[in-house]
Amino acid sequence: AQKVTQAQTEISVVEKEDVTLDCVYETRDTTYYLFWYKQPPSGELVFLIRRNSFDEQNEISGRYSWNFQKSTSSFNFTITASQVVDSAVYFCALRNNNAGNMLTFGGGTRLMVKP
Amino acid sequence: EADIYQTPRYLVIGTGKKITLECSQTMGHDKMYWYQQDPGMELHLIHYSYGVNSTEKGDLSSESTVSRIRTEHFPLTLESARPSHTSQYLCASSAGTSPVAETQYFGPGTRLLVL
Repeated sequence: AQKVTQAQTEISVVEKEDVTLDCVYETRDTTYYLFWYKQPPSGELVFLIRRNSFDEQNEISGRYSWNFQKSTSSFNFTITASQVVDSAVYFCALRNNNAGNMLTFGGGTRLMVKP
Repeated sequence: EADIYQTPRYLVIGTGKKITLECSQTMGHDKMYWYQQDPGMELHLIHYSYGVNSTEKGDLSSESTVSRIRTEHFPLTLESARPSHTSQYLCASSAGTSPVAETQYFGPGTRLLVL
């Protein structure tokens, strides 16, 4: 069985602070994919990143960075110098290679960035 | 950039009415999905389709039904809406031709309120 845990239900920061959103996953498969999605107040889920289980390199995209640690089954997401527009709910998700492309989502973390 | 559309974006309707939520995508994706999202944020897969004339129920039991007569179109129908159906409904699609291509892209969602 697969499981994704986002222990932080809500995080509140002040603009320009760095913030890390935690994601811990469970799977028995050796091949799997991890995702992060952003859901702004408008409601749609916006795809941010996909990572496969064989690629443990960290990734940086502008102010966003992701830290994939297979040893601890974690795929954490850091926003550097947060902005008000980063306020959203962020979802971590897991798909294993044999799951018929079914995603297992975490419960989401609501990030509030205050000016 | 994903081209997946949902209509209506918002719907307020009385108990007992029949409703159809529309979802269409212009990317030629084979796989399509419907998720129900609680006010508490958690996402639940309620239906999916691997292609034309293929539909399956998801993890969460739902009184809704779906059809897939055309590749680009995956409508969801509630024969008799009830207040318990009040939720946000998100449609997604994926190419399904390779693990990388199977990233799910989401539509903007329909917020349904049943009075």
